[in-house]
Amino acid sequence: DQQVKQNSPSLSVQEGRISILNCDYTNSMFDYFLWYKKYPAEGPTFLISISSIKDKNEDGRFTVFLNKSAKHLSLHIVPSQPGDSAVYFCAASASGGSYIPTFGRGTSLIVHP
Amino acid sequence: EAGVTQSPTHLIKTRGQQVTLRCSPISGHTSVYWYQQALGLGLQFLLWYDEGEERNRGNFPPRFSGRQFPNYSSELNVNALELEDSALYLCASSLGRGLGGYTFGSGTRLTVV
Repeated sequence: DQQVKQNSPSLSVQEGRISILNCDYTNSMFDYFLWYKKYPAEGPTFLISISSIKDKNEDGRFTVFLNKSAKHLSLHIVPSQPGDSAVYFCAASASGGSYIPTFGRGTSLIVHP
Repeated sequence: EAGVTQSPTHLIKTRGQQVTLRCSPISGHTSVYWYQQALGLGLQFLLWYDEGEERNRGNFPPRFSGRQFPNYSSELNVNALELEDSALYLCASSLGRGLGGYTFGSGTRLTVV
């Protein structure tokens, strides 16, 4: 049973436009959420995180929104750049539990020039 | 500062054989995590080591095991390899127990034939 779901395996966006990557979770114990970016032949790199006490966190072109009632979070990239083309993983962890993050299956983002 | 290093980068083994994968964490990091990423799946948590002890284990059979050495480097051992063990094995490290802001290595690509 997937506790963290990324229902879109892929997303294609034009350079300069907004990319929106979505993630849903089922475990109510999750209170810390992360996004990782992965290029081919490299390990995932941490991108941005958000605690459940907030509903938005921004870092440059990247913003993560959290809707706790809907158990949904999204990553917005504005403006999208070709170098953003990568696989994006959503992850969630529970500070009251094992802390080990549970990852989604990833969304492959392609940004066209 | 050197990142998380994993060896080997690629490996081909025959079904039934045993394999050992190695990971060196970032200097000063005491926790090491192992994840499996099979084709089309997200990162599946395997094992967590901290201060030389196994702290948590994912839903994998006992033929997946490992250890952490006094210098905090780690090995992942897989016995009686099966075809479905073919995957990218990722190691990550953190300073103590963290909520998931890990630093990942580039992984070891294991192919079982």
